[in-house]
Order: sequence, then C-alpha cells, then structure tokens
Amino acid sequence: GENVEQHPSTLSVQEGDSAVIKCTYSDSASNYFPWYKQELGKRPQLIIDIRSNVGEKKDQRIAVTLNKTAKHFSLHITETQPEDSAVYFCAASTTGSARQLTFGSGTQLTVLP
Amino acid sequence: ETGVTQTPRHLVMGMTNKKSLKCEQHLGHNAMYWYKQSAKKPLELMFVYNFKEQTENNSVPSRFSPECPNSSHLFLHLHTLQPEDSALYLCASSQETSPRSDTQYFGPGTRLTVL
Repeated sequence: GENVEQHPSTLSVQEGDSAVIKCTYSDSASNYFPWYKQELGKRPQLIIDIRSNVGEKKDQRIAVTLNKTAKHFSLHITETQPEDSAVYFCAASTTGSARQLTFGSGTQLTVLP
Repeated sequence: ETGVTQTPRHLVMGMTNKKSLKCEQHLGHNAMYWYKQSAKKPLELMFVYNFKEQTENNSVPSRFSPECPNSSHLFLHLHTLQPEDSALYLCASSQETSPRSDTQYFGPGTRLTVL
C-alpha cells in the first residue's frame, strides 16, 4: 500500500519568511495530492491540491510542486503570517471508486511575530 | 461550517459501554469516510462507504462497527473499547465520479475518551 512521509515534523519561521514542507510517497500510481491545514481544536481543511498532470499549482501565498519522477511534493507558503500557524498534512491517493487518502504525519508550523 | 456535522463532539465512555457516533453531510456527496486521529500519528482511514456500500475496511477491530443507512448519514457503533481507542474520530465526505474523485470535506470530529 501507499506510504507517505512528511518532513519536518515541526517548523518555526519568522513572520514574513517562507515555509516549505516536503512529502514523499511510495506508490507510483498515486495521482492526487492534497494538503490540509488543521488549526488547534478544528477540523482539517483543504488548502490546495495538485493532480499528477501538472507540476505546480499556486493560490495566492500558497503553492504546491510535484515531482513524479522522484515521487515527492512540497508545500510552499510565502510571506507567512501568525494565522498560518497550524498543523499541515499532506496526503496521496490513486483514482478509484472512492478515494483512499494516505496521510503524512503532519508538520506543526509556528509563525513567530 | 455546516457541510459535515458530527455528534457528539465529546464522549467519555467506560470499556463496557456501547455508544454510537453520528455523522451527517449536507453536501450531496456519495462517499463517506471514518478516520481516527491519535496524537503524534497520521490520520488513519478506518472505513469507506461509496453509494452506501462499504468498499474498504482497513483492518479495524470488530469493536468498531460502521453503518451507512443512506448517502447522507454515517454511524460508528462502539462497544467494549480499550483505553488506546481514545482519539479524535473524524468523518469526511466526497463526491465520487469515476474515474475522478474529488476533495474530501471533514467534520469537526468527536473527541472520544475511553476510561
């Protein structure tokens, strides 16, 4: 089955700096890679996703890059703000009758004012 | 946010109790999921229902029993749980249109404590 590894487990950055979180996956058939943000005591919420037919996707201060050959994908947050502080999870799945997401272990991002 | 709701939000139960968690989605989706979120561990997929049919059971102990009476409701029946089952149980839903699947939307979760 799919295995997703996520690094780092914790990340502290100064407000205004960039943050990068990296994930690797094992199943070359995986073709959908979402990123979720979970604030303390709240539900995971999708912030961006990418499908395997593109290499990069951007939404304002957030971008995701995908390298299918190397089987890794990354989340980039620019101009970080204190409200970006949360746990971020990457996930990977293949297309199927119902999507089975395999999640990474999460990264606790802290943006210091 | 009211797309996916879960009740109760918090539950404390003894090891001999029987309780049920409820999930309801108001998004018109056709697939629903149960996840377990424990501290310092990845989200673990427990069960998947697609068009009310269970399609996956990821080696979950039989003390957890899911039920999906229709595409909008999902239950997780609990009996004779262990303290290590204490966790946040998250429900999610998505719209599955083969071969393409869409985003999973999560509920707020039920924080379960087993004494």
